[in-house]
Amino acid sequence: NAGVMQNPRHLVRRRGQEARLRCSPMKGHSHVYWYRQLPEEGLKFMVYLQKENIIDESGMPKERFSAEFPKEGPSILRIQQVVRGDSAAYFCASSQPGQGQETQYFGPGTRLLVL
Amino acid sequence: GEDVEQSLFLSVREGDSSVINCTYTDSSSTYLYWYKQEPGAGLQLLTYIFSNMDMKQDQRLTVLLNKKDKHLSLRIADTQTGDSAIYFCAEGMNRDDKIIFGKGTRLHILP
Repeated sequence: NAGVMQNPRHLVRRRGQEARLRCSPMKGHSHVYWYRQLPEEGLKFMVYLQKENIIDESGMPKERFSAEFPKEGPSILRIQQVVRGDSAAYFCASSQPGQGQETQYFGPGTRLLVL
Repeated sequence: GEDVEQSLFLSVREGDSSVINCTYTDSSSTYLYWYKQEPGAGLQLLTYIFSNMDMKQDQRLTVLLNKKDKHLSLRIADTQTGDSAIYFCAEGMNRDDKIIFGKGTRLHILP
């Protein structure tokens, strides 16, 4: 009974490169959330997706960031042309409302370092 | 607006009780959460409380909610070295809504 899986766990990119972060929700979950944790900060909500739909992207930066959750495969958070300020831990959570699994279960995170 | 505040550090002797406090601003929050984060790890949901409750107990954990003052606390009885972690207070409107986190309280256990 695997939990939420994220890969890679650590990612190093140079300024201007692209970062792709993957999240596989818990089995049976169709709701995915992405959060960002800057050093010494709490987690900040970025985006909430269901299969093939973005439900709430109020926390997403207007440029360079995008997220998808296709019908098949993991959810992807994509950061184009990374800058040093993008260095953070990115956490994915999943849930399945209506089946007693409404609570968000978090993955181990991807730690992105931009050089 | 949405804001969750908590103190950044707490030191407690092993065997004593730890009390971590939190205040929130959004009176429409329905769910109030406590998460635990160990170094380099993800977040583990410890417990949550509905806004229409004022107390919830689960083994060594006791959550108290003062809705009037928008104050939430987490008490850990008989604190152990394994309790050393960062504890995040968080709020949410609905169970599948985004969660608003505080900055976390780093709990340090003294021998």
